[in-house]
Amino acid sequence: EAQVTQNPRYLITVTGKKLTVTCSQNMNHEYMSWYRQDPGLGLRQIYYSMNVEVTDKGDVPEGYKVSRKEKRNFPLILESPSPNQTSLYFCASSLGQGRRDTEAFFGQGTRLTVV
Amino acid sequence: KNQVEQSPQSLIILEGKNCTLQCNYTVSPFSNLRWYKQDTGRGPVSLTIMTFSENTKSNGRYTATLDADTKQSSLHITASQLSDSASYICVVSPNYGGSQGNLIFGKGTKLSVKP
Repeated sequence: EAQVTQNPRYLITVTGKKLTVTCSQNMNHEYMSWYRQDPGLGLRQIYYSMNVEVTDKGDVPEGYKVSRKEKRNFPLILESPSPNQTSLYFCASSLGQGRRDTEAFFGQGTRLTVV
Repeated sequence: KNQVEQSPQSLIILEGKNCTLQCNYTVSPFSNLRWYKQDTGRGPVSLTIMTFSENTKSNGRYTATLDADTKQSSLHITASQLSDSASYICVVSPNYGGSQGNLIFGKGTKLSVKP
């Protein structure tokens, strides 16, 4: 089954404790991205990757890091989480970036709480 | 500035009734427009994708229309069901000189279908 898998689904952590949210897709997609979703703000892009070893900042990259060492994986790293990073996070993948013949597949989401 | 505006913010309808959700965008030129359904706490799921040359596209009880001249799209839901209760997100993909830009998300319309 084609899917994007994020882990963990839920995470509560303390300020400053490094964490990683994993994302994996089994569709051989080139393009992957991370979003955060906050009430009243909709989905905002954090980082994206157009292929292996190619990553770039989205609209709200501060406080986050990513890596793309393999095509299927795109982890999101919070080196020193802060309470304002409490949010619902989504990973997405697609064949290409916004191409007309492809759709973006989203993971199930990771609800992160930083206390 | 490229923007996607959706209306209404929220909507309550009775089961079995029809409804129409609106999306206005200022993205130009654009590659395609998508509608996603997002259940609470879950990742968005694609309903339709339309290019600028398409006027309408259906997916079961969901019908999306697009007027590229007025930069408006609508999503019509026929014979609503309780399972239609969700947020519906309009997403536009810009077209920058042949390459595809990042997706631009509306904030969504929260639909509640009551028995």
